[in-house]
Formats: sequence, structure tokens, C-alpha cells
Amino acid sequence: EVKLVESGGGLVQRGGSLRLSCAASGITSDIYWMSWVRQAPGKGLEWVANIKQDGSEKHYVDSVEGRFTISRDNAKNLLFLQLDSLRAEDTAVYYCAATTVVSPLGFEYWGQGTLVTVSS
Amino acid sequence: SYDLIQSPSVSVSPGQTASITCSGDRLGTKYVSWYRQRPGQSPLLVIFQDTKRPSGIPERFSGSNSGNTATLTISGTQSIDEADYYCQAWDGTTVIFGGGTRLTVL
Repeated sequence: EVKLVESGGGLVQRGGSLRLSCAASGITSDIYWMSWVRQAPGKGLEWVANIKQDGSEKHYVDSVEGRFTISRDNAKNLLFLQLDSLRAEDTAVYYCAATTVVSPLGFEYWGQGTLVTVSS
Repeated sequence: SYDLIQSPSVSVSPGQTASITCSGDRLGTKYVSWYRQRPGQSPLLVIFQDTKRPSGIPERFSGSNSGNTATLTISGTQSIDEADYYCQAWDGTTVIFGGGTRLTVL
């Protein structure tokens, strides 16, 4: 069992920055890939970025490439998402999600989400 | 880019079988996962690797994937199953979600 808890969301002006964190607890050795997935108000799920367990691979959706940076601190069981040059369309609830050795391609664990609001 | 297409809505009567589909080019060559999301809640994995159920997911949830279509089937649908359902697959090292299907039980 793994528990994920996000923090760091808030209200920010267009062009501003935020740093989201996700704290993992439990059997974290089971985690394989970790991702950030966002959901704009009233919309569907959109994958944003992922990072492999050892940090050797990072990938981004085209719309955030060059503006967002994913990273992790395995010693502290923390996942981060640095959001720069924010746009109104980045407004969403941001979830961290994890695949595991049991479900390497499906996100078995999700956090409760943290809301990012970008004002114009 | 790779797209996963879902019908926006599906309706089913209580006790009947609900089928939610997800379409994509040669989707049968990829592993598909399915998520349930109730209002105000985080997504919940209900099917992974096309057909497998995580611990705690009822047996009435099942999945299949062949050709260009993956299907989530809910047998004996209950009112608690009313939610949004999303399919998901990997396109190389990136993740794709379908647009979601709202299941209404009436």
C-alpha cells in the first residue's frame, strides 16, 4: 500500500511559478513510474509528465515541455513538479500518480490532488 | 500524436450490463487501464493490463482489448457505479487518457 499526498497548489498570476510536491509513504519500493496528471475544471484527465523510479527518464506532454520540470528525491520519497511561465490554461487540479511493480502501466495509486489557479 | 476515443455518455438500467468502449489505432497492441472517478474524488484504477482487477475491485468489473477497441464491462450495474470512466494507455514513454465516459444508472 502506498499513500500519496500533494501540496503546493495555489493562486498565481499568469507568467508566474509554483512548485508542487507529492509525498509518498508506505511500501514505496513498489513504485515504478510516477506521474503528474491534471484535470481542468469540468474536463477530463490529462497526463502532464512522468519520471522513472530511478530518475533516469523524464517525459512531458508537448504543451508543458520547456515550462514544467519533474524531479524526485527518493531518499525523502518526494516527487516535485516545477511550474514556470504559467498560463491560464494550466489551471487545474494536479494529481500525482504512481504505477507499481504489480501494475507497471496502470496508475495504482493517486493523491487527493492540489488546485493550481492561474489568474490573468 | 496518439488519441483514445470514448463516447461521452452511456446509460444503463440497474442490474443490467454496461459496456464502455475506448478506440485507438491498433489499440489491441497496447495495454489498457481503466479508471473510475466519482464527483470530487481522485481516479481509481479498476482494470489494468487489459483484463486484470486490482485488489478490492468487484468481479463484476471486467475488461477486454482487441483490434482497435478496448471495452470495460460492468455486470449487474449498481447506482454506486455511476461515475466518469477513463481509459488509458502508453504511447511509447508518454501516457494517453481517453476523453472519459459518464456512466448514468437510471
